[in-house]
This record gives sequence, C-alpha cells and structure tokens, in this order.
Amino acid sequence: GENVEQHPSTLSVQEGDSAVIKCTYSDSASNYFPWYKQELGKGPQLIIDIRSNVGEKKDQRIAVTLNKTAKHFSLHITETQPEDSAVYFCAASPSYGGATNKLIFGTGTLLAVQP
Amino acid sequence: GAVVSQHPSRVICKSGTSVKIECRSLDFQATTMFWYRQFPKQSLMLMATSNEGSKATYEQGVEKDKFLINHASLTLSTLTVTSAHPEDSSFYICSARLPWSADTQYFGPGTRLTVL
Repeated sequence: GENVEQHPSTLSVQEGDSAVIKCTYSDSASNYFPWYKQELGKGPQLIIDIRSNVGEKKDQRIAVTLNKTAKHFSLHITETQPEDSAVYFCAASPSYGGATNKLIFGTGTLLAVQP
Repeated sequence: GAVVSQHPSRVICKSGTSVKIECRSLDFQATTMFWYRQFPKQSLMLMATSNEGSKATYEQGVEKDKFLINHASLTLSTLTVTSAHPEDSSFYICSARLPWSADTQYFGPGTRLTVL
C-alpha cells in the first residue's frame, strides 16, 4: 500500500522567511496530493492541492510542487507570518479506478513562525 | 463552501457507556464520509469509510462492533463508540468527500472524547 513520509517533523522560521516542507510517497498510482493545516484542537483545513498532471500550483503565499518521477512533493510558504504557525500534513491519494479514493497522510510538520 | 460540522465538540463519559458523534456536510451532499482518529501529536488514522445507504468499510484492525457507523442521509453520518473505555479517549475527526471529486475531502472540527 501507499506510504507517505514527511520532513522535517518540526520547523522554526523567522517571520518573513520562507518555509519548505517535503513529502515522498511510494505508490506510483497516487495522483492527488493535498496539504492540510491543523491548528491546535481543530480539524485539518485544506490549504492547497495538486494533481499528477500538474507540476506546480500557487495560491498567494502558498505553492506546491510535484515531481512524479522522484515521487516527491513539497509545500512552500513565503513571507511567513505568526498565524502560519500550525501542524501541516501532506497526503497522497492512490487511485485504483474505484469511485472513492482514500487519503494516506504524512506524519506532520510542526511549523513555528517566530515574530 | 464545503463546510463540515461535528457535534459535540467535546464529550466526557463514564467507562461502559456509549457515545454518538454526528458529522454533517452543511452546504453539499456527501455520499461518502470518512472517520479518522488522532492521538496527541500524531497523524490522522483512517478508521472507516461511510457510504450513504450502505454499510461502512472499516480499516484493518478497527472493530466494527465497537465503532458503529451509520450514514442514513446525504448530509449526516454518525459514529457511535459503544461500551467506551479509557483507551478510546481520542480526537475523532470526520471528513466529507465532494460529490464531484473522487478524492477531495473537507474535514470537520473534530470531537474530543474523554472516557473516565
């Protein structure tokens, strides 16, 4: 089955700096890669996603890149702000032709943005 | 759009009792919802996939008789933890799949269950 690894487990940056979180996956059948932000005591919030037919996607300060050959994808946050502090999870969704695909989550990255 | 709610947000119960958690999709119909469990400082663990009008599909190692799932309508799925024990204490989160997407999921705010 699919296995998703995520690094680093913790990341501390200064306000205004960029943050990069990386994930690798094992199943070449995965074709959907979302990123979620989870604040303490809350449910995960979808912040950006990318599909396998696209190499990069941007949404204001957030971008995701995908390298299908190497089976890795990354989250890039520019001009970080204290409110970006949270746990970030990557996920991969293997598609086996069924109607519903599961999400396989990475282990999470605790991002701390120091003011 | 794509708002998912959960109720209650937190619940404390005595060992041996049953607890029901509701998951609702507020602005879309969800034929498929998912139930996850999350321990402190850990990732999300999928427990089961809930399909409207049919039996839930449980992940390996999840006891279906302990975690009863009902998806009776296109906007509501319920998880009942039966005969709860302290080791069932956890953060339970549901998600709903967009009807036009095979994979995009939006999550609810979670339910903190504490079993005394």
